[in-house]
Amino acid sequence: DIQLTQSPSFLSASVGDRVTITCRASQGISKYLAWYQQRPGKAPKLLICATSTLQTGVPSRFSGAGSGTEFTLTISSLQPEDFATYYCQHLNSYPITFGQGTRLEIK
Amino acid sequence: EVQLVESGGGLVQPGGSLRLSCVASGFTFSDHHMDWVRQAPGKGLEWIGRFRNKGQGYTTEYAASVRDRFSISRDDSKNSLYLQMNSLKTEDTAVYFCARDYISHYSWDVWGQGTTVTVSS
Repeated sequence: DIQLTQSPSFLSASVGDRVTITCRASQGISKYLAWYQQRPGKAPKLLICATSTLQTGVPSRFSGAGSGTEFTLTISSLQPEDFATYYCQHLNSYPITFGQGTRLEIK
Repeated sequence: EVQLVESGGGLVQPGGSLRLSCVASGFTFSDHHMDWVRQAPGKGLEWIGRFRNKGQGYTTEYAASVRDRFSISRDDSKNSLYLQMNSLKTEDTAVYFCARDYISHYSWDVWGQGTTVTVSS
């Protein structure tokens, strides 16, 4: 199974900050990595697929990059609505797995 | 409006069974692979399994943790996806989401609101 490890697991930041979340895969997954945002009590929301493709309607302050085993999600200027938990997910092979999540909180 | 609506959750005793349903609307259900994902209280997301579309032979994939106990099915005529859960364990307690495969994008672009399953005596 491919393991995805996110870092950090917890991030405290302020509105306007630039933040980056890293997702490392235990083996190469080509470009098959997606990022989701989840707010408490809600379903996950797709932000980015195929490493760097921004989903329709997602603000351009979100961006994704990477290849192989290391991937990043960057939020260029945090807005109040961005404080949530973020998950990476691969679909390179089965089983599909997620990272453990990064909880982003307001400083 | 593109939508997925899950139902069927509830309280069940260990060793019991439960069947979840997910009804789709607003899109051509039969075109898409469909998945189940769960989230235990206070924990992260866990993929459970996939039911591919007719074009991919209606084949399935499962996570090892549920392979021998859970079964996914679909009825394209009813725009519905199902999750049959048998031999339930306390660790199966979670919110269960159905999700639509985003064709050729290796991700899920539409999610249901989730249905809660509690396994407890």
